[in-house]
Amino acid sequence: GESVGLHLPTLSVQEGDNSIINCAYSNSASDYFIWYKQESGKGPQFIIDIRSNMDKRQGQRVTVLLNKTVKHLSLQIAATQPGDSAVYFCAEFWFSGYSTLTFGKGTMLLVSP
Amino acid sequence: DAGVTQSPTHLIKTRGQQVTLRCSPKSGHDTVSWYQQALGQGPQFIFQYYEEEERQRGNFPDRFSGHQFPNYSSELNVNALWLGDSALYLCASSPTGRAGEQYFGPGTRLTVT
Repeated sequence: GESVGLHLPTLSVQEGDNSIINCAYSNSASDYFIWYKQESGKGPQFIIDIRSNMDKRQGQRVTVLLNKTVKHLSLQIAATQPGDSAVYFCAEFWFSGYSTLTFGKGTMLLVSP
Repeated sequence: DAGVTQSPTHLIKTRGQQVTLRCSPKSGHDTVSWYQQALGQGPQFIFQYYEEEERQRGNFPDRFSGHQFPNYSSELNVNALWLGDSALYLCASSPTGRAGEQYFGPGTRLTVT
């Protein structure tokens, strides 16, 4: 399928490594943050979310960290697998304002066997 | 339970033509948002429909219009197509009162020649 990752920052890791993908968000009033995974030719798929009153949330093999002081979000993937290869986007949302998602630029993750 | 579905999958149009894209939301979801995703970019918000009305709109010209039907399905119409309208058009649905919780369809790839 067509690549959504053209000209995106790329992170290359070996299978089994831990991956960290970073995102700077724009609005200090954002209440809610989501990480999406997008494989070639597909729509974004929800991975994990976090509310602004939290600084860490863990899922299955994934952890999201939120630093509101510097408006920074990170996604950590443990024991990265080839199936994790995709483009990863962070998105922000604020409940009292523009009631839709604003996406970051995206990072392509390439996992080598 | 079917997720978000979109049709058609791919479409090729000529500059100046008009196009209609269709979206069926996830069961139980009443809010539909449309996004445009150019190659190598994150999705950009076009507009959002709720209760058959446009609730929010992004920075897109009036050539982009939409509609939501009583069964919550939605259409995106683009008139007077430009070459720059070539992109992946994504539909996302969300449940009542949880507009940040968006589930995406696979998208329609529009190519304008």
